[in-house]
Amino acid sequence: TQLLEQSPQFLSIQEGENLTVYCNSSSVFSSLQWYRQEPGEGPVLLVTVVTGGEVKKLKRLTFQFGDARKDSSLHITAAQPGDTGLYLCAGSPRGAQKLVFGQGTRLTINP
Amino acid sequence: DTGVSQDPRHKITKRGQNVTFRCDPISEHNRLYWYRQTLGQGPEFLTYFQNEAQLEKSRLLSDRFSAERPKGSFSTLEIQRTEQGDSAMYLCASSLDEYSTDTQYFGPGTRLTVL
Repeated sequence: TQLLEQSPQFLSIQEGENLTVYCNSSSVFSSLQWYRQEPGEGPVLLVTVVTGGEVKKLKRLTFQFGDARKDSSLHITAAQPGDTGLYLCAGSPRGAQKLVFGQGTRLTINP
Repeated sequence: DTGVSQDPRHKITKRGQNVTFRCDPISEHNRLYWYRQTLGQGPEFLTYFQNEAQLEKSRLLSDRFSAERPKGSFSTLEIQRTEQGDSAMYLCASSLDEYSTDTQYFGPGTRLTVL
């Protein structure tokens, strides 16, 4: 059972454009993380969101946690080629320590 | 803080051989996790330790897989009688047990190829 659905799975856009990646679930999560992964490497943490409705900004990246703590989004403003990579959302279901991951969004920013 | 380290980074083995991977977590992190990631998918949970106690195992962890964390520091993951379907990236993560968040930090992974 895929608890976290990410969309889109693939996204290719031009440098300078904006984009949004979505992470949706029917389950409630106590926290949700966004990671970025390069080929052959482990996921690198970008942000953790904990409170429903929370918004966090990391330079050109904006992360939002849904009010009901069932969904999240990642918005990138003025995308750059260096943003290219695999973006993963992951959450801890209530009462669990393990992370459940979405299938990832493979983002390509073309110069 | 040197981060989570894993060894080896790459392992190529023949079907039927045993392999062992090592993970060194961030010092003072008391939780350690193992995940497996196949091509085009997100990581899938295998097992986790709180200190030296193995508290949860996924159904993905067949009898051929065993994990240990004998002194509550580093951990090993052994796969016996490897199969081609075991080919994947094996990721280790660690976290500090905090009641409000439990952010996991990942190592670089061990890429296993079973021929």
